[in-house]
Amino acid sequence: AQSVTQLDSQVPVFEEAPVELRCNYSSSVSVYLFWYVQYPNQGLQLLLKYLSGSTLVESINGFEAEFNKSQTSFHLRKPSVHISDTAEYFCAVSDRGRNQGGKLIFGQGTELSVKP
Amino acid sequence: DVKVTQSSRYLVKRTGEKVFLECVQDMDHENMFWYRQDPGLGLRLIYFSYDVKMKEKGDIPEGYSVSREKKERFSLILESASTNQTSMYLCASSLGWAWGATYNEQFFGPGTRLTVL
Repeated sequence: AQSVTQLDSQVPVFEEAPVELRCNYSSSVSVYLFWYVQYPNQGLQLLLKYLSGSTLVESINGFEAEFNKSQTSFHLRKPSVHISDTAEYFCAVSDRGRNQGGKLIFGQGTELSVKP
Repeated sequence: DVKVTQSSRYLVKRTGEKVFLECVQDMDHENMFWYRQDPGLGLRLIYFSYDVKMKEKGDIPEGYSVSREKKERFSLILESASTNQTSMYLCASSLGWAWGATYNEQFFGPGTRLTVL
């Protein structure tokens, strides 16, 4: 069975500081990895994904995540955060096999709070 | 743009009531999902469906049922609501594998916050 662990439930940072949100997963099969973001009072939006190829993936708003197979991690980073990045972030994993119907397994979520 | 809509943003029901949560997607997606979101637990899959009239149990199906009579609509039913079903409910949809997709991005609705008194 697959599982996802987000090591920090809350991360408070000051504006323009760097941030890392940690995510570890366990799986006996090859996986796809995702980060979703949920802004206050909204549904989830896909932030970035790792499918194959380069282990470093980037989003359009400056976040990046690196797939580390040996450490089974997919940590999310941003070198300088903005107030508008305040949100809850979810790491998720999906089995590469098509017989799972594209199901996602989510982590517990990390609340990022950016303070002025 | 894919749009997933949910019938209510906020809902208050009494213990023992039958509750229907409706979800509609406008992109002809084959797959639809119902999750519940609770603080500290993330999102947990209740049921999913990858075709009309098809359904499969997720990780926490107890106390819930679903209905998918039309491709665009996926309903979550609480036959007899209980206080431990107070939660945020999120619906999602994704394209089916028949389209040759490498993976299936899930698109989420805004959620329904259900309170059972």
